[in-house]
Amino acid sequence: AQSVTQLGSHVSVSEGALVLLRCNYSSSVPPYLFWYVQYPNQGLQLLLKYTSAATLVKGINGFEAEFKKSETSFHLTKPSAHMSDAAEYFCAVSDYQAGTALIFGKGTTLSVSS
Amino acid sequence: DGGITQSPKYLFRKEGQNVTLSCEQNLNHDAMYWYRQDPGQGLRLIYYSQIVNDFQKGDIAEGYSVSREKKESFPLTVTSAQKNPTAFYLCATKPLGGGQETQYFGPGTRLLVL
Repeated sequence: AQSVTQLGSHVSVSEGALVLLRCNYSSSVPPYLFWYVQYPNQGLQLLLKYTSAATLVKGINGFEAEFKKSETSFHLTKPSAHMSDAAEYFCAVSDYQAGTALIFGKGTTLSVSS
Repeated sequence: DGGITQSPKYLFRKEGQNVTLSCEQNLNHDAMYWYRQDPGQGLRLIYYSQIVNDFQKGDIAEGYSVSREKKESFPLTVTSAQKNPTAFYLCATKPLGGGQETQYFGPGTRLLVL
């Protein structure tokens, strides 16, 4: 069965600092992996996705993630945090046994201080 | 204007009452999904549908029902059998085929129990 683990339910950084949100996955087949962002009381917005092409994936708002098969990881990074990055972030893997629904991690809340 | 509409934004349920959450899309996507979001739990799959007049249970289908009579619509009914319905409900859609794996999310409905 596929699964996703997000390490750290809450991450705090200063404005301008590096953002690193960790995601590890478990999958018996080549995975499709996603990072979504959610602002309070809103739906989810896709940040980026890995679909077996380039292992370094660039997304919106300056975020990127690197797929590392040997480490079963897909960590999300951004070189310089902005106040507007404060939100909840979800890592997800595509579930081939459920109509390619998504299996989500429990989320990481990012706080950015000035 | 293309997109996914969920209504109402807030919904209140009394004890023993069935309530229906609406999800409508004009993206011409084949697949539709319902997820439940609880704080610190990520999103969990309730039901999904890949074609009109067909749908499948997800991980937490007990106490919920759905229908898919039209491609554009996938309403979710929260029945009185669901003893803990307070949550944020998100509808998502996805085109099938062509290697397109991205799910698109609606703005969500927050269900509260009176």
